[in-house]
Amino acid sequence: AQSVTQPDIHITVSEGASLELRCNYSYGATPYLFWYVQSPGQGLQLLLKYFSGDTLVQGIKGFEAEFKRSQSSFNLRKPSVHWSDAAEYFCAVGATGGGNKLTFGTGTQLKVEL
Amino acid sequence: NAGVTQTPKFQVLKTGQSMTLQCAQDMNHEYMSWYRQDPGMGLRLIHYSVGAGITDQGEVPNGYNVSRSTTEDFPLRLLSAAPSQTSVYFCASSSPAAGRDEQFFGPGTRLTVL
Repeated sequence: AQSVTQPDIHITVSEGASLELRCNYSYGATPYLFWYVQSPGQGLQLLLKYFSGDTLVQGIKGFEAEFKRSQSSFNLRKPSVHWSDAAEYFCAVGATGGGNKLTFGTGTQLKVEL
Repeated sequence: NAGVTQTPKFQVLKTGQSMTLQCAQDMNHEYMSWYRQDPGMGLRLIHYSVGAGITDQGEVPNGYNVSRSTTEDFPLRLLSAAPSQTSVYFCASSSPAAGRDEQFFGPGTRLTVL
């Protein structure tokens, strides 16, 4: 069965600092990988996704993520964090060809200090 | 396009009551899913559907029923609510033809069972 681990429950960074959120997955075949962001009281918004090809993917709001098969990781990065990035971030893995069966990590809550 | 809509936004039930959470999408997506979100547990798949008339169980299906009579609608039924079903419920839709299985989420329904 597929699984996702987000080892950091909370992360605090200063505005303007760089950010890396960790995500490790377990899946037997080539995974579909996603990062979603959730602002308080809101639904989930897709930041970026990886299916195949270039292992460095660019997303919205200046985020990027790198797929590393050897480490089973899909870490999310941003060079300079803005106060509006404070939110909860979820990594998810989907079965190949089965996009409606996502397995989510437990999320990382990001706090941005001004 | 309204995207994915969910009603109601908030609901309070007493133990043993029944209710239906509504979900509709206007994107002609084949796939629809229901997730529940609980603190520290991320989102977990309850039920999903790959098309009208076809549904299947996800990770946490007990206590919930679904049906899919049309492409647009995917209601989630709680037959006898229990306090353990207090959660935030998200409906999602996707199509393999649109963005390689990217899921679009509704705004959520916050349910409290007393």
